[in-house]
Amino acid sequence: NAGVTQTPKFRILKIGQSMTLQCTQDMNHNYMYWYRQDPGMGLKLIYYSVGAGITDKGEVPNGYNVSRSTTEDFPLRLELAAPSQTSVYFCASSYWSGTGDEKLFFGSGTQLSVL
Amino acid sequence: GQQLNQSPQSMFIQEGEDVSMNCTSSSIFNTWLWYKQDPGEGPVLLIALYKAGELTSNGRLTAQFGITRKDSFLNISASIPSDVGIYFCAGRNTGANSKLTFGKGITLSVRP
Repeated sequence: NAGVTQTPKFRILKIGQSMTLQCTQDMNHNYMYWYRQDPGMGLKLIYYSVGAGITDKGEVPNGYNVSRSTTEDFPLRLELAAPSQTSVYFCASSYWSGTGDEKLFFGSGTQLSVL
Repeated sequence: GQQLNQSPQSMFIQEGEDVSMNCTSSSIFNTWLWYKQDPGEGPVLLIALYKAGELTSNGRLTAQFGITRKDSFLNISASIPSDVGIYFCAGRNTGANSKLTFGKGITLSVRP
């Protein structure tokens, strides 16, 4: 069972370049999330989606875009990379019915450096 | 916004010792989740709690959902070297737009 799969594992970008971080899940989860993790700062929510065709901003959305055309895929787009976007990015998914029993599962992360 | 407090930022224990971590919130939560993150990997769910007062075990790990619904505790008994990692708590309240809030994590080191 693959769970949540993220690609690439590592990436180095130059300032101003763009890239897409890929995320796919095979658990038929309705909710998907993108977090960034900076040392000692925990996990900050960038964007999330409650289902195909629906996305919403999280805590730190500036400089990022997302789309959710299918239940399985939730790519994260960086249009003009900046050094402040150097971080480790995690995609996550869960089945949320609104009444509890939620379990959030994470991918293995993408380490991004912007130089 | 909602905040979860985990402290201290780092803990150092001897192999075989028990360790307790807590997580406190300024808001009431209806779900508490505890995660462990190994270096270079994503967080892995350890224990999920959904009811105030609930006490749940997973091997050597035990977690409790505080009765005030503003805190949760994770205990690790008889620690071993592979317990090293970052431990995160996360909480969620109910509502259509509720989102999980994560603590900043506690880095646990276990001395052999």
